[in-house]
Amino acid sequence: DQQVKQNSPSLSVQEGRISILNCDYTNSMFDYFLWYKKYPAEGPTFLISISSIKDKNEDGRFTVFLNKSAKHLSLHIVPSQPGDSAVYFCAASVMNTGFQKLVFGTGTRLLVSP
Amino acid sequence: KAGVTQTPRYLIKTRGQQVTLSCSPISGHRSVSWYQQTPGQGLQFLFEYFSETQRNKGNFPGRFSGRQFSNSRSEMNVSTLELGDSALYLCASRTDGGNTEAFFGQGTRLTVV
Repeated sequence: DQQVKQNSPSLSVQEGRISILNCDYTNSMFDYFLWYKKYPAEGPTFLISISSIKDKNEDGRFTVFLNKSAKHLSLHIVPSQPGDSAVYFCAASVMNTGFQKLVFGTGTRLLVSP
Repeated sequence: KAGVTQTPRYLIKTRGQQVTLSCSPISGHRSVSWYQQTPGQGLQFLFEYFSETQRNKGNFPGRFSGRQFSNSRSEMNVSTLELGDSALYLCASRTDGGNTEAFFGQGTRLTVV
């Protein structure tokens, strides 16, 4: 049962354009969402997060949007750069007895071409 | 500030053996979580430790265990290794209390032959 889904395994974008990565979830108990970037043979690097009490959070070129009614979140990267090429994971947090468990999607591979 | 450190980076073991992986969290972080990454299953939560106590556990068999020491360093042990245990094992640390971002180490690549 995949509670967090990233339905696009890959995405190709030209440098300077917008990259939009999507994520859907099924568990309405999730109250905190995160995006991570991962290069091969490295651990995931935290990018940006959003609490369920917000619908948008920005950090430089990265913006995350949350639509709770649709159980959908997206990561916008503007402008996209070749160095952004990596696998992006969305994760949702379930607080269980006060301690966090992250549930990850299967990732979307972003390729930004010059 | 040093990041999350995992040792060793690579490991090759034989079926039936056991293995211990180590994780040193970011200084001041008391929560340590472990995740398994495989090509087919993505990142799967194993367990979380906080102040030397396991507070959360994923859906893995009892062959997977862990512990946390008083200095917040954590170890993960897998006994009676199976071929399917081959994966990247990731450790993440975060500050205590509420929902906060978890910071990951580079992982230990375990290959079972």
